[in-house]
Order: sequence, then C-alpha cells, then structure tokens
Amino acid sequence: NAGVTQTPKFQVLKTGQSMTLQCAQDMNHEYMSWYRQDPGMGLRLIHYSVGAGITDQGEVPNGYNVSRSTTEDFPLRLLSAAPSQTSVYFCASRPNFAVGNTIYFGEGSWLTVV
Amino acid sequence: KNEVEQSPQNLTAQEGEFITINCSYSVGISALHWLQQHPGGGIVSLFMLSSGKKKHGRLIATINIQEKHSSLHITASHPRDSAVYICAVETYNTDKLIFGTGTRLQVFP
Repeated sequence: NAGVTQTPKFQVLKTGQSMTLQCAQDMNHEYMSWYRQDPGMGLRLIHYSVGAGITDQGEVPNGYNVSRSTTEDFPLRLLSAAPSQTSVYFCASRPNFAVGNTIYFGEGSWLTVV
Repeated sequence: KNEVEQSPQNLTAQEGEFITINCSYSVGISALHWLQQHPGGGIVSLFMLSSGKKKHGRLIATINIQEKHSSLHITASHPRDSAVYICAVETYNTDKLIFGTGTRLQVFP
C-alpha cells in the first residue's frame, strides 16, 4: 500500500503563477483533506471532501480550489500564487469521519512563493 | 485563546529520560489524536483516544475527559524520538479536526 502520495515535494513559484498540488490515496477512503502548516500555528484546514463529487471549505480556503472527481484523487489548485501562500501543505485521508478512524497524512509539499 | 493548547512548546531530554507532553482543550470532543512529525518529514498517527489509556511500545497516551486533558508519555527516551508531537481533537457534530501547535522534542545521547 502506498498510502497517501503527494507531489511535488518541493516547489518554487513566482507571484501570480498557478499550480496544482497532487494528492492520491489507494485505501478507498471517503474523507480527504488539505492542510497548511505555518510556523507557530497548528495545521489549518484549507478544503475537504467527504466523497467523490463533494467538497467543502475549511478554515483558510481563499486562493485555493479543489475538486474530487474520483475517490482516489484530491488535487489542490493555487489560482494565483501569493507570498502569503508560502507554507508546507499536507494532504490527509481517513476512511470516513466516524469516531475512531486513523488519519493518514502525505509526506508534505514545501511551497515557496517569491 | 486556542481551543487546543499543548505544553511545553519545546522540550529537551537526555537519552533514557521519561518524557511527558500535555494537551488541554476547551471544547467538547468525541476523540483525541496524537501525531508525530519528524523534521522534514510527514505526519504519522500515534494514537486515537476517546477514553482511558493506550500503550504502544514505549509510548503511552492517557485522556481525562472530565478535566479536558490528555498526556503523551515516552518511557526510556531515545534520540530517534526527536520530533514534533501534535495533539488534535475531533469535536461533536463536525467533520473537522482542531490541531495544537505542537511540542518540539529533542533527545540527546
């Protein structure tokens, strides 16, 4: 089992560029989510999905877009990168949001916007 | 005030010492997670608790629902335990997690 796979691991963008962070899981999980991690702050939820075709906003959704066309994939799009989006991004999945389900995280994507 | 607070923020220890990391929360929860993040690496789930105590190897996690407090203990600490430990809670009737800011642990040989 590959678990949760995130790509790319590192990326440098210029302000205004767009890009997509890829996330895939092979565990048939219904629930997938994207977080950003910034110094001195806990992980913050950007967007999440409770199943294919269903997405919703989290705590910090502005400047990001997601889609969930398949159970396996949950890409995160940066529409027009800004320096404030410099962060470490984590994709996570779990079977569903029932109590007792383990969370599985990807390895993280380090993004720098210059 | 954050809904999930961890203490201490930073912790150094000598190899072999007993380590305690604390997590306090101010909301009603259905479960609490302890996560481990190694430098430059991904995040791994250690425990999920809704009551009582769990043990896995040298790691022990406890939770007191009435006091809204959880602790993660590491017995006989080792340099490979050096990591950031993160507490996260699930609240009732939502499908989101609330994360603490993490405790950075360094264990020296």
